[in-house]
Amino acid sequence: AQSVTQPDIHITVSEGASLELRCNYSYGATPYLFWYVQSPGQGLQLLLKYFSGDTLVQGIKGFEAEFKRSQSSFNLRKPSVHWSDAAEYFCAVGATFGNEKLTFGTGTRLTIIP
Amino acid sequence: NAGVTQTPKFQVLKTGQSMTLQCAQDMNHEYMSWYRQDPGMGLRLIHYSVGAGITDQGEVPNGYNVSRSTTEDFPLRLLSAAPSQTSVYFCATRNTGELFFGEGSRLTVL
Repeated sequence: AQSVTQPDIHITVSEGASLELRCNYSYGATPYLFWYVQSPGQGLQLLLKYFSGDTLVQGIKGFEAEFKRSQSSFNLRKPSVHWSDAAEYFCAVGATFGNEKLTFGTGTRLTIIP
Repeated sequence: NAGVTQTPKFQVLKTGQSMTLQCAQDMNHEYMSWYRQDPGMGLRLIHYSVGAGITDQGEVPNGYNVSRSTTEDFPLRLLSAAPSQTSVYFCATRNTGELFFGEGSRLTVL
């Protein structure tokens, strides 16, 4: 069965600093990977997705993620965070394109300090 | 364009009561789903539907019923609410792999 691990429950970074959120997945074949962001009291919004091709994918709001098959990872990065990036971030994996059972990680809460 | 609309946004129930969470979409997506979000648990899939008249169970279906009579609507029913069903519920549709979420319904069962 597919699974996702986000090892960091809570991360605090200073505004303007770089950010990396970790995501490790478990699945035998090529996974379909997603990062979502959730602002307080809101639903989830897609940041970026990986289906195939270039392993470095660009998303909205200046985020990027790199798929590393050898490490079973799909870490999210941003070179310089803004106070508005404070939110909860979820990594998700699907076994096939259009797979109905998308599995989410437990999330990483990001706090930004001035 | 409303996207995915969930009602109600907040609800308090007593144990044993029944209720229905409504989800409506105007994006003409065939796929719709219900997730629940609990602290430290991420989002877990309750039920999903790949089109009108077709539903299937997700990871945590017990205690919940769904039906899909139209493309637009996918209600989630709790027949006899339990405190363990206190959670935030999200409805989501899907198109080309991406999920589109509603803003959530916060349910408290006393």
